Amino acid sequence: AQSVTQLDSQVPVFEEAPVELRCNYSSSVSVYLFWYVQYPNQGLQLLLKYLSGSTLVKGINGFEAEFNKSQTSFHLRKPSVHISDTAEYFCAVSAISGSARQLTFGSGTQLTVLP
Amino acid sequence: EPEVTQTPSHQVTQMGQEVILRCVPISNHLYFYWYRQILGQKVEFLVSFYNNEISEKSEIFDDQFSVERPDGSNFTLKIRSTKLEDSAMYFCASKRTSGGTDTQYFGPGTRLTVL
Repeated sequence: AQSVTQLDSQVPVFEEAPVELRCNYSSSVSVYLFWYVQYPNQGLQLLLKYLSGSTLVKGINGFEAEFNKSQTSFHLRKPSVHISDTAEYFCAVSAISGSARQLTFGSGTQLTVLP
Repeated sequence: EPEVTQTPSHQVTQMGQEVILRCVPISNHLYFYWYRQILGQKVEFLVSFYNNEISEKSEIFDDQFSVERPDGSNFTLKIRSTKLEDSAMYFCASKRTSGGTDTQYFGPGTRLTVL
């Protein structure tokens, strides 16, 4: 079984400032890691995913995340945020092996970018 | 770009009534999922579906729930006798292959309110 913890439910940040959204996971099996974003009244959209290889993963809209196996973390970062980045961000994992490989989500972090 | 669609966007029903939530997955996808998010809580896996049968389900997915792919395009979630605690946002997702590296694409969700 897997679990995902997103340590901050709300993160307010000023425009053009850097941001980090934290995610820790636990799992008894090897997992893939994902970050999804949900804009108001829209579905969940994949930002980036870590499958293997380089621990620094780059995604859409200037976001990146770093996988740290020893700390079981997958924190999301952006060096300079825009108003349009205001959304809810979800960290998720799925088992590497298995049949359907459903996603296990964290509780989400609401990022609010202030002018 | 192809997308997953869901109807209705908002459904209000009385406790004890049956509801059917509808989803149209991306056309060449073979794996289908339902997730739900109770307000303020995590996005939770309900069920996965492949080749016209359930491949995995969570403990939430009890006998009150059923899924069906009635034709080549729709994927439905039925709740036979709704309870107050079924009030949530329900997300449909689809994926092209079973591979864990493949991305799940989500619909915008149906908000179910049980009165």
